[in-house]
Amino acid sequence: SQTIHQWPATLVQPVGSPLSLECTVEGTSNPNLYWYRQAAGRGLQLLFYSVGIGQISSEVPQNLSASRPQDRQFILSSKKLLLSDSGFYLCAWSVPRTGGGQPQHFGDGTRLSIL
Amino acid sequence: AQSVSQHNHHVILSEAASLELGCNYSYGGTVNLFWYVQYPGQHLQLLLKYFSGDPLVKGIKGFEAEFIKSKFSFNLRKPSVQWSDTAEYFCAVNANSGGGADGLTFGKGTHLIIQP
Repeated sequence: SQTIHQWPATLVQPVGSPLSLECTVEGTSNPNLYWYRQAAGRGLQLLFYSVGIGQISSEVPQNLSASRPQDRQFILSSKKLLLSDSGFYLCAWSVPRTGGGQPQHFGDGTRLSIL
Repeated sequence: AQSVSQHNHHVILSEAASLELGCNYSYGGTVNLFWYVQYPGQHLQLLLKYFSGDPLVKGIKGFEAEFIKSKFSFNLRKPSVQWSDTAEYFCAVNANSGGGADGLTFGKGTHLIIQP
């Protein structure tokens, strides 16, 4: 069966520090991968998605970047964190099919607090 | 771009009461619709989904939702709730396009509390 792992579960970082959140998927090949963020009082917002190695699409301009160095690895990064980067970050995967109708499967998330 | 509106942010019900959570979306094209649930301390899970066909879809744990295209709605229902249904419920939509990689647009969620 397929599983998705995110780490760390919680992270406290000072303003201006770098960030690296990692997400890996097991049990499937060539998944579509996604990063979402949930800020306080808001719904989940799509940040990035990827249909393959090295292919990243950004949905919103921001202080963050994403990379996909391997088929089942998706990394969320920042060179210098801002206070506004605080939130709950979720990684998700889906089976690539036309129509975009495949459900997405979510990891447990990373709660990021910026001090 | 799509947007999703969930009408109630907090709902409190007694056990055995009937439930209906509202969800409206805005998008000019064909959409796929989802309801996700997050139980306390657990990750987001798919409750049910609509792609095409019968607009009344049934999901896990006795939940169902009806897609009404003319109203751009996808309301979630359950005839008799249980204490274990206490959770956060999210409505989501993505475009039914050929890309296959459309991210989801979520509503802000409804926090449902069931009192025993």
